[in-house]
Amino acid sequence: DTAVSQTPKYLVTQMGNDKSIKCEQNLGHDTMYWYKQDSKKFLKIMFSYNNKELIINETVPNRFSPKSPDKAHLNLHINSLELGDSAVYFCASSPRDRGTYGYTFGSGTRLTVV
Amino acid sequence: DQQVKQNSPSLSVQEGRISILNCDYTNSMFDYFLWYKKYPAEGPTFLISISSIKDKNEDGRFTVFLNKSAKHLSLHIVPSQPGDSAVYFCAASSNDYKLSFGAGTTVTVRA
Repeated sequence: DTAVSQTPKYLVTQMGNDKSIKCEQNLGHDTMYWYKQDSKKFLKIMFSYNNKELIINETVPNRFSPKSPDKAHLNLHINSLELGDSAVYFCASSPRDRGTYGYTFGSGTRLTVV
Repeated sequence: DQQVKQNSPSLSVQEGRISILNCDYTNSMFDYFLWYKKYPAEGPTFLISISSIKDKNEDGRFTVFLNKSAKHLSLHIVPSQPGDSAVYFCAASSNDYKLSFGAGTTVTVRA
């Protein structure tokens, strides 16, 4: 029973298309995140939602729009995809006591824009 | 601007010996430090954490040491096992819920 599941695992699409990545957690956590791992393998935060409220919005192009219909789901929609959007996107969630228990990550979505 | 740095991209260690991974940070506002382990095609898995009010935390074979004055932490794995071969990420957070990650260290445990 996967704790944080994201779909799809792989996504290959053409430049200019619009695509969505879905994420769901069954841990009862209050906070969910989207992280991007770029070609240099750095993991960088993009967005965070706490109980459906956006609390972190890093310097991300406004082509990226997160949506949280409830605290168990956080989806990522990307408009007008560009080559530079190719990366692995990780969804994560954390409890209130994030320091002790850490964040739980999904297995990632590898997005390739051609 | 990388606030968390792992200067060793790779580490090779013999099975049964100690693995020591190092991490430096620049932001004095960080109050929690975490280590994650990542296998290929999987997400990072939480390993161990330490609060800024402590200098050591131990969990089985894993021990994390924090030196606040030097803004340095390290992860010790004793004894190293073949299943420990993975990429290890150091991460840090402050009150704003953001995790800042290092670039990772690839550990290879040789039989």
